[in-house]
Amino acid sequence: GAGVSQSPRYKVAKRGQDVALRCDPISGHVSLFWYQQALGQGPEFLTYFQNEAQLDKSGLPSDRFFAERPEGSVSTLKIQRTQQEDSAVYLCASSLVLAGGLTRNDEQFFGPGTRLTVL
Amino acid sequence: GQQVMQIPQYQHVQEGEDFTTYCNSSTTLSNIQWYKQRPGGHPVFLIQLVKSGEVKKQKRLTFQFGEAKKNSSLHITATQTTDVGTYFCAGRASGTYKYNFGTGTRLKVLA
Repeated sequence: GAGVSQSPRYKVAKRGQDVALRCDPISGHVSLFWYQQALGQGPEFLTYFQNEAQLDKSGLPSDRFFAERPEGSVSTLKIQRTQQEDSAVYLCASSLVLAGGLTRNDEQFFGPGTRLTVL
Repeated sequence: GQQVMQIPQYQHVQEGEDFTTYCNSSTTLSNIQWYKQRPGGHPVFLIQLVKSGEVKKQKRLTFQFGEAKKNSSLHITATQTTDVGTYFCAGRASGTYKYNFGTGTRLKVLA
């Protein structure tokens, strides 16, 4: 495949609705990251997967946020009972190697993002 | 927790002038990455630095990792209009998987 893809590209939700954001990483990539990027800010780490294992979820803002990668490829970020402060671009990135694999470049390949607007 | 700050927040330069952005971490880093994000786009990887005092060059771009592995810089020589965008550093502490992105420096190049 070409690169990391994300869907939908744009999502408008009413406050209180649940949303699901999908990420298709580059085939064979071990690592997968989710980030939240507010307008004019840098990406904020949400969670990290190594294959199907979620090794770090320290960045998830609340228990309304849930992420999974059940077969070690496609990942879904779910936000329950959306709030206005959840409005942001949600970026997914994949990497060929384990995060911190200093013997090889753990370059992150980013998808185009999903822009979520909560009304 | 670990914080990564970047300065300046914005920089406007005339085409042909040099540009530098600085990245500072509150904690010692294992490695640092640099990304460029064009307006409306997603971050694109530029480089990774691992060793204390490391300097790497890519054409007009020079990247440096401080001796204490707590700061880094990106210098662009003779800027071009194609250099426009926001430059982010992303640092990772030892024993963690998490990358903390800096606040970014938005570069505008005036032709």
